[in-house]
Amino acid sequence: AQTVTQSQPEMSVQEAETVTLSCTYDTSESDYYLFWYKQPPSRQMILVIRQEAYKQQNATENRFSVNFQKAAKSFSLKISDSQLGDAAMYFCAYRPSGGSNYKLTFGKGTLLTVNP
Amino acid sequence: DTEVTQTPKHLVMGMTNKKSLKCEQHMGHRAMYWYKQKAKKPPELMFVYSYEKLSINESVPSRFSPECPNSSLLNLHLHALQPEDSALYLCASSQEWGLPGQPQHFGDGTRLSIL
Repeated sequence: AQTVTQSQPEMSVQEAETVTLSCTYDTSESDYYLFWYKQPPSRQMILVIRQEAYKQQNATENRFSVNFQKAAKSFSLKISDSQLGDAAMYFCAYRPSGGSNYKLTFGKGTLLTVNP
Repeated sequence: DTEVTQTPKHLVMGMTNKKSLKCEQHMGHRAMYWYKQKAKKPPELMFVYSYEKLSINESVPSRFSPECPNSSLLNLHLHALQPEDSALYLCASSQEWGLPGQPQHFGDGTRLSIL
């Protein structure tokens, strides 16, 4: 069974600084997808960034980038120039690309606080 | 703007009541999902519908009854719930269940409280 581990229950960052959220996963699959979702307080969960396992290039979306280390099964999220609106719960998630069960497996989440 | 619309936003019900949660999307997605989320926890998958057919039931108690009347609409019928069922219920949709690279789009959720 796949597992996703986020070892930092809470993180804080100063506005305009950079923060990195950690995520590791365990799978025997060779092809899969990894996602970071953001859930602000009392607001909807939205996709931040997505990575395809067979692509070696790290995904980037504006201030958000990932460090994907397939051999180490690591998928960290870097937020640059942090803004107050980045404060949220961040979930790392895994989804296999093969088989028939494409269930999204979430980590336990990291609560990010942005200090002004 | 929320592309997946859930109603109601809040629901308080007694353990003997019957109520329904509603979810609607107009993105042409053919996969729809129900999740249960407790405070400060990740969402837990309950049901998956693919092309209006139930594909996955994660061993959810029968007091939760899903329904997908058409490709845009997903309901969750509730009956005889327990206090531990109090949670945020999230609906999500994606292009197709068999396209795992396509992200799921989530609604704002219904916050359910069982008295």
